[in-house]
Amino acid sequence: QKEVEQDPGPLSVPEGAIVSLNCTYSNSAFQYFMWYRQYSRKGPELLMYTYSSGNKEDGRFTAQVDKSSKYISLFIRDSQPSDSATYLCAMSRGSYIPTFGRGTSLIVHP
Amino acid sequence: GAVVSQHPSRVICKSGTSVKIECRSLDFQATTMFWYRQFPKQSLMLMATSNEGSKATYEQGVEKDKFLINHASLTLSTLTVTSAHPEDSSFYICSARDGARQEAFFGQGTRLTVV
Repeated sequence: QKEVEQDPGPLSVPEGAIVSLNCTYSNSAFQYFMWYRQYSRKGPELLMYTYSSGNKEDGRFTAQVDKSSKYISLFIRDSQPSDSATYLCAMSRGSYIPTFGRGTSLIVHP
Repeated sequence: GAVVSQHPSRVICKSGTSVKIECRSLDFQATTMFWYRQFPKQSLMLMATSNEGSKATYEQGVEKDKFLINHASLTLSTLTVTSAHPEDSSFYICSARDGARQEAFFGQGTRLTVV
């Protein structure tokens, strides 16, 4: 079992839909959780960063962490075609090397 | 967010030559830098981790003599692909983190094509 599991998709949704992206993990020591967005042939861009459990909201994006279930989510409200990209979750413990999921490909069609 | 600049964005080189890729943190001190390789539609594959002033730590299966990493200052790390071969063609991405923060920031990536 990989430390971080993420469905590669693709996930295809119509414009305006609420998107839910998820990752599960096995290492209970992870404390820091990140979501990155990566457009084709570009470096990943940090979207959200959370520490421990709870929710964090930034514009149309909401990150949720449930440490008891070892499950994290990224919600995108009012999705736009420009949100079409690969979304990678990442997590770490302290100053250790972050562990990445394999990424979920999202397609938002007009 | 913090800015990491990676150059060049694209490079084509002949087989047998060496290529240097630079990664700079522009507005923070990068105590740790990571180098990744990414194949099409695949996830990031960590190649090595470097801390400023120390030798890089390479992941299993990554040849340290082929992929030379230098992290001589808190704002600059370089990856040199030596004696490049067509199978080294890939997308290389650097990432930097400062000691006060846990999140890492990525460069724009370098697409290397060896012909």
